[in-house]
Amino acid sequence: GAVVSQHPSRVICKSGTSVKIECRSLDFQATTMFWYRQFPKQSLMLMATSNEGSKATYEQGVEKDKFLINHASLTLSTLTVTSAHPEDSSFYICSARERPLPEAFFGQGTRLTVV
Amino acid sequence: AQSVTQPDIHITVSEGASLELRCNYSYGATPYLFWYVQSPGQGLQLLLKYFSGDTLVQGIKGFEAEFKRSQSSFNLRKPSVHWSDAAEYFCAVAINQAGTALIFGKGTTLSVSS
Repeated sequence: GAVVSQHPSRVICKSGTSVKIECRSLDFQATTMFWYRQFPKQSLMLMATSNEGSKATYEQGVEKDKFLINHASLTLSTLTVTSAHPEDSSFYICSARERPLPEAFFGQGTRLTVV
Repeated sequence: AQSVTQPDIHITVSEGASLELRCNYSYGATPYLFWYVQSPGQGLQLLLKYFSGDTLVQGIKGFEAEFKRSQSSFNLRKPSVHWSDAAEYFCAVAINQAGTALIFGKGTTLSVSS
């Protein structure tokens, strides 16, 4: 199957700083990418959907200014957590689809810890 | 609204025993159906998918799933569970719009006892 690479797998940052997470599709063109947040022992919560070259569409309750998403190319999307706070600590997972295929492929996830 | 229900939050199965994880969906038409597995601290791996055709689909790691339209179900099965199968399992659907996100169930935690 298609491969989605997410980096870094773990990151620790200080409160108030920003951290960037990268999501790359290695062998297909990701026309649409999705960013999820997962709390311990819970399902995935969709944060935003981004189409290449367009602004991301955020789910209700997700702060656009805190979670900046860029999808500048067909193989790369980034999520930047700005002015991070301890409550932003979580597991973030990206996913990518190649239109018109309905299946989605997932990155390995990023464990963010804000101290 | 579309939804996915996984009725079992946690299941424990003895190693070597058979397994069935339940999944029901709510959608007006037949969606695209998926099962994913997640090991602790990892992303999701696609186990199998159903788009159309034969309602019994085979996946990786010896898993299979059967689509039953009349029951709006897509249950995951494995004849003999291995200790390495212990993980979180998610059922998901995609409706007929290629740009939309998958809709996930809440997941089922599988524990395997020796």
